[in-house]
Amino acid sequence: GAVVSQHPSRVICKSGTSVKIECRSLDFQATTMFWYRQFPKKSLMLMATSNEGSKATYEQGVEKDKFLINHASLTLSTLTVTSAHPEDSSFYICSAPSSGFLSSYNEQFFGPGTRLTVL
Amino acid sequence: SQKIEQNSEALNIQEGKTATLTCNYTNYSPAYLQWYRQDPGRGPVFLLLIRENEKEKRKERLKVTFDTTLKQSLFHITASQPADSATYLCALDQGGSYIPTFGRGTSLIVHP
Repeated sequence: GAVVSQHPSRVICKSGTSVKIECRSLDFQATTMFWYRQFPKKSLMLMATSNEGSKATYEQGVEKDKFLINHASLTLSTLTVTSAHPEDSSFYICSAPSSGFLSSYNEQFFGPGTRLTVL
Repeated sequence: SQKIEQNSEALNIQEGKTATLTCNYTNYSPAYLQWYRQDPGRGPVFLLLIRENEKEKRKERLKVTFDTTLKQSLFHITASQPADSATYLCALDQGGSYIPTFGRGTSLIVHP
């Protein structure tokens, strides 16, 4: 199946700094990618839909100025957590639809996730 | 809005037995229902997809059923092994370019 990678897998930063997380589709092109965050024993919470060549679509309650998304190419989307605070500590996961774009139905290929800890 | 219910309590079973996990939903029936496996500290991995007009789907030791009358999907793992221990998520896909919605998952623990 298709492979999605994320980098870094783990990051620890000080409060107030910005952290960039990369999501790459390795063997297919993805015009759409999704960013989720997950708290322990909780479900995946969709944060935003990343669209290549256009602005990201954010879910209700997600601050777009805090979570900057850039879909730079058909294989790369980045999430930047700006001015991170301890409450931003979480597990961030990206995914891409199996077809590479959102179509009639889509199994999702997930990245391995990034564990962010803000001190 | 659509609500997905998966048992939050862990399911503990003995090796070799069949594990059955439940996914219930409210409101409209999705066009597709998907099951994923998630290991600790890892992203989910797609397992199976079943369409609303399908009653049952199989893949090796996995079987998924979909009952739109009961608004329920059951996920079975036969001849379970300790390596099957993980969290299993169901996701509802309305189709037509809608993004799947995930349940919180049920943890399965298979004891040797």
